[in-house]
Amino acid sequence: DAKTTQPPSMDCAEGRAANLPCNHSTISGNEYVYWYRQIHSQGPQYIIHGLKNNETNEMASLIITEDRKSSTLILPHATLRDTAVYYCIVAGNTGKLIFGQGTTLQVKP
Amino acid sequence: DTAVSQTPKYLVTQMGNDKSIKCEQNLGHDTMYWYKQDSKKFLKIMFSYNNKELIINETVPNRFSPKSPDKAHLNLHINSLELGDSAVYFCASSLVGTSADTQYFGPGTRLTVL
Repeated sequence: DAKTTQPPSMDCAEGRAANLPCNHSTISGNEYVYWYRQIHSQGPQYIIHGLKNNETNEMASLIITEDRKSSTLILPHATLRDTAVYYCIVAGNTGKLIFGQGTTLQVKP
Repeated sequence: DTAVSQTPKYLVTQMGNDKSIKCEQNLGHDTMYWYKQDSKKFLKIMFSYNNKELIINETVPNRFSPKSPDKAHLNLHINSLELGDSAVYFCASSLVGTSADTQYFGPGTRLTVL
């Protein structure tokens, strides 16, 4: 399973877009990129995932580079409730999710 | 309706005791998982079951024994509890357990061993 690298922390102003980067240079062709977040000590919450194409849902957008070695999660209008730890994960065939340290996003008023 | 539920939410016990944590999912999924989040906040997978069959068994002490009575339930039994077992344990489920499959997590069980 490929490893990911994320900045440990980021700040974002409320109402602005939050762009969270992730590097996964060793990703294999059949591995998906997943984003989860964990608010305080709650269970991880699924946000979005993708294989090659960019994806968008009601929560966020996922931009994957053409070589698939990096991706960016975009929260278009961050709110205070988006303050959380965001995990970028590359999932292999087993479906096993390997969580790293993630990025702590602090949304400020 | 809660999709993935766990009981109890909090569990405080003495060293050496045996305890169980229960997990149930009402999503109709075939695969269920147990994760452990320690005090440093690292989340690590422990086990996964697909349709009551053990699929993933990470390096976990054999004091931990998962039991799946049916595909909607995956319980975690821990024998001879140790201080280092204190953590938050999360259950999750997914449709079939492949890389294209989203996992949905329960609210967690905070285990404290005194």
